[in-house]
Amino acid sequence: AQSVTQPDIHITVSEGASLELRCNYSYGATPYLFWYVQSPGQGLQLLLKYFSGDTLVQGIKGFEAEFKRSQSSFNLRKPSVHWSDAAEYFCAVDPSGSARQLTFGSGTQLTVLP
Amino acid sequence: SAVISQKPSRDICQRGTSLTIQCQVDSQVTMMFWYRQQPGQSLTLIATANQGSEATYESGFVIDKFPISRPNLTFSTLTVSNMSPEDSSIYLCSVGHGDQPQHFGDGTRLSIL
Repeated sequence: AQSVTQPDIHITVSEGASLELRCNYSYGATPYLFWYVQSPGQGLQLLLKYFSGDTLVQGIKGFEAEFKRSQSSFNLRKPSVHWSDAAEYFCAVDPSGSARQLTFGSGTQLTVLP
Repeated sequence: SAVISQKPSRDICQRGTSLTIQCQVDSQVTMMFWYRQQPGQSLTLIATANQGSEATYESGFVIDKFPISRPNLTFSTLTVSNMSPEDSSIYLCSVGHGDQPQHFGDGTRLSIL
């Protein structure tokens, strides 16, 4: 069955430490891939997207993600986390490329320690 | 990207009543969507709001419970009808245009007493 998996429900890191959030998908072909962030009391903000081409994509707020076809993964990274990065992060896929069928992972809650 | 205004931002409602949520976009968009985010959960698509025709509902969601309107390319409403405590959720509007990613409003935080 088609699915999006974020295996980490909750991650805690210290401010200034590096971060990697995992996302795996299960689709027949490479879907369009996205990372969104939801800060407390806010809607979702798009961090970055992958459609095709360079497998390392840069996003806003210093985030990047790497698409690995062999692992069906699209992990989100940041070299140095800031306290303001504390939020919920959602990986999402669009298998059709039409912006009509967006399926979300279960989310990863990030806590940043001072 | 489009600026999306969603109203109300939050509400507390009585069991058995209905609430209409509005989503206004500052530019014409091809697609508008409504999602539900139950407490501690991810987002689930309720329906695609189609301009000038009936919305397309996902499995598990019906028009009688979640009537949707989309009178033009910049505005849509979602009504949550005959509410029960299980309807306590965040309801989010999103928009899509061409092959651009979906962008989301800030959501409506709904609590049912």
